[in-house]
Amino acid sequence: GAGVSQSPSNKVTEKGKDVELRCDPISGHTALYWYRQSLGQGLEFLIYFQGNSAPDKSGLPSDRFSAERTGGSVSTLTIQRTQQEDSAVYLCASSLEQGPKYGYTFGSGTRLTVV
Amino acid sequence: AQRVTQPEKLLSVFKGAPVELKCNYSYSGSPELFWYVQYSRQRLQLLLRHISRESIKGFTADLNKGETSFHLKKPFAQEEDSAMYYCALSGFGGSNYKLTFGKGTLLTVNP
Repeated sequence: GAGVSQSPSNKVTEKGKDVELRCDPISGHTALYWYRQSLGQGLEFLIYFQGNSAPDKSGLPSDRFSAERTGGSVSTLTIQRTQQEDSAVYLCASSLEQGPKYGYTFGSGTRLTVV
Repeated sequence: AQRVTQPEKLLSVFKGAPVELKCNYSYSGSPELFWYVQYSRQRLQLLLRHISRESIKGFTADLNKGETSFHLKKPFAQEEDSAMYYCALSGFGGSNYKLTFGKGTLLTVNP
């Protein structure tokens, strides 16, 4: 597609359930990023993938969070045993090469609500 | 550690008035600074980069290394400028792929 596609756009889940969020980056973009946007907290870096290199997971807030990127394209962010504090908008971005100077293109996000 | 501070959560101005959105940063090396904007019900998008020294939609931002600031300015605000603005920083070097964002300033331009 022409842009970064994220699904679902909205997700309501019960506390303790697992959720999977999907990101389909722009074709040909080798770098993929996940951020979390919370009200009043700005954007928090979660994880970064670049080509076949090991991902930088340093931003993941707990071991309940994990992400993978298959075939260098689609990425899935998984949150296990969701908690209410996980409620946020999860943003995915991709870029042609490593680094924001090449321009991040953001998706429209997945709004996660944990009840 | 790198940190971005946007001291104003909310900023309200009248149409035609000058606007300045403040951004201060903390970084031990040589930073690269950005402004991102998110209009209502739209995606987050890049507004401008300091390295490009460009003016986008009438906005400019100058990197002041002495004051560690990267304030966003526009001489005459328009109603369509109403949006959430985020200042962001990345470093040069090994981890320069990460953007560190401020908490954002919600700008409202009143008619």
